[in-house]
Amino acid sequence: AQRVTQPEKLLSVFKGAPVELKCNYSYSGSPELFWYVQYSRQRLQLLLRHISRESIKGFTADLNKGETSFHLKKPFAQEEDSAMYYCALSGGGQNFVFGPGTRLSVLP
Amino acid sequence: KAGVTQTPRYLIKTRGQQVTLSCSPISGHRSVSWYQQTPGQGLQFLFEYFSETQRNKGNFPGRFSGRQFSNSRSEMNVSTLELGDSALYLCASRATTSGRETQYFGPGTRLLVL
Repeated sequence: AQRVTQPEKLLSVFKGAPVELKCNYSYSGSPELFWYVQYSRQRLQLLLRHISRESIKGFTADLNKGETSFHLKKPFAQEEDSAMYYCALSGGGQNFVFGPGTRLSVLP
Repeated sequence: KAGVTQTPRYLIKTRGQQVTLSCSPISGHRSVSWYQQTPGQGLQFLFEYFSETQRNKGNFPGRFSGRQFSNSRSEMNVSTLELGDSALYLCASRATTSGRETQYFGPGTRLLVL
């Protein structure tokens, strides 16, 4: 069965500090992993996907198949990064499965 | 292109009633997915429609149903509403570009069941 876990409901860091939002998944095949973000009063939007291996707004995420993880990282957090972050998995054209989300709060 | 739109944005119903929510995907997108978002359960997949056919279905009771029209607009219906159906219902349209699938979400319809 597909499953995505995000162990932290809330993560608070100070501005300029590194941030890592954890995501673990279970899936028997080769999934596609995503990070979605929802800023206050805005709609849910795609932040990045593992296939692209890109950096968006300073965030990166590496897929670790051995640890079945897809942690989101940023070396220096900014106040505008405060938002709800969801890790999601899609496998072989199947439906998306979202994790419970982590609320990131970047303190001044 | 205009984004995904959902109507109505807010809805109040009472137990036992039924409700229909509407979603208009981005022009050219043929896939529409529906999700239920609650504080306790997070984002849960309801179903996906592609070219007027249900392609995937989540683990929700039969009271939750949907359909898609030839113009790709989709409706979701919930019959015999229960208090626990109070949630934000999100619609997303999907597009595949260069082999990569991307979901674009609407603003949601917030349903309150009293």
